[in-house]
Order: sequence, then C-alpha cells, then structure tokens
Amino acid sequence: DAKTTQPPSMDCAEGRAANLPCNHSTISGNEYVYWYRQIHSQGPQYIIHGLKNNETNEMASLIITEDRKSSTLILPHATLRDTAVYYCIVSINSGNTPLVFGKGTRLSVIA
Amino acid sequence: GAGVSQTPSNKVTEKGKYVELRCDPISGHTALYWYRQSLGQGPEFLIYFQGTGAADDSGLPNDRFFAVRPEGSVSTLKIQRTERGDSAVYLCASSLIGAETDTQYFGPGTRLTVL
Repeated sequence: DAKTTQPPSMDCAEGRAANLPCNHSTISGNEYVYWYRQIHSQGPQYIIHGLKNNETNEMASLIITEDRKSSTLILPHATLRDTAVYYCIVSINSGNTPLVFGKGTRLSVIA
Repeated sequence: GAGVSQTPSNKVTEKGKYVELRCDPISGHTALYWYRQSLGQGPEFLIYFQGTGAADDSGLPNDRFFAVRPEGSVSTLKIQRTERGDSAVYLCASSLIGAETDTQYFGPGTRLTVL
C-alpha cells in the first residue's frame, strides 16, 4: 500500500501557483519523497525528489516540513499543459526499488 | 537521447490467447521495471530486473505472467491464456543504478484489451 495521502483532485487557474499537498506521516529516515506526474495517455514523468531540504528545479519546487511528515509540490506558474495526475511517492531509492503509487491528485489547470 | 520505448502501443486480443509486450529501455540503463495500470488507478509494480535477472517478481499476479530480459537490455512481458481482467496499460520503466537516488524513466505504455 502507498505510504502517502493526497487529495483526489484540485483546480488551479492558469498562470497561478499550484500547490499540491502530500501527507507521509510514516516516512522512514532513509526514505526520499518523489513526485511524478502522468499526463493523459502517457507514462509517468519524474518531476523532483528530496530528502530533508527544500528542492527546486526547472519544473517545480518541493517543500518538505521539518518533521518530514508532509510535503508540498509547487508549480509556480501553472499552464494548461500541467493538467495531469500528480503522484507523491516515498522510496528508499527509486533507482533500484519498485515505486508504490497511490491514486494521486488530478490537477486541472483552468484557463 | 531516445527514451524508453514500448511496442505495440495498442494490443487487442481474445480471451485465452497469448500475448507478448516489448520494452526497449534507455541505452545503458541496468534496471528495468514493469508496472500495470488499470483505469483510474496508479501504476502497480509487477517485476524488476537488475541486468538479466529478475531481482523482484513479487508483483506478478499469477503464473500466467512471465517476463524475460535475456541480454540485459530489451525485455518482454509474456501473458498466457489472457483473461478480460488482464486488460490494462502495461508500463515499462528503466533506471541507471549507481547514483544514490536514480530516477525511473517510463515509456508510453502498451494498452492491452482482452475481448
């Protein structure tokens, strides 16, 4: 079973920041938080991951609480192409460990 | 460079038939995964290869499902005596083992429909 809890759906206005929450209260000390997204009819796409510190890349920012029990993925300026299902996953090392997906959050970006 | 590719993109078969689904990982990636995704659900793990050997096949639902990776590159997922419940999108992913947090790169999937 997935170790994460996410809201089933969210809406966001185009051009605004999309903040997607994730709860992972049972995360272990050596587990990372990964975010993937899946645009309709495509395979999941890696977005970002982090252990303790906040992370930022060209796609998004990841904010992890100090107790590591929750995190937020931030898309700073959402576009229509960001409409997708977003999955928050905790994993020791996603390179050699199967990913356990939940149902994710379906983000709809609205013009 | 080229990403993970999967063929065919769509496969329609009849109940009881045998099917093979192919995955071409990113060149040089040593780890390869198969997942299955039913409508409205997240992907579910089936099997994981490190090189040529199956490191973890705990996700295979029953003995009708089998996968091989004979040369440590291309992999084939084989399903015998298909059932209507096998209908799903079958996803393949690959990763490069070595760095502490290698990520998995997914292919577009094969949509299997069993009539």
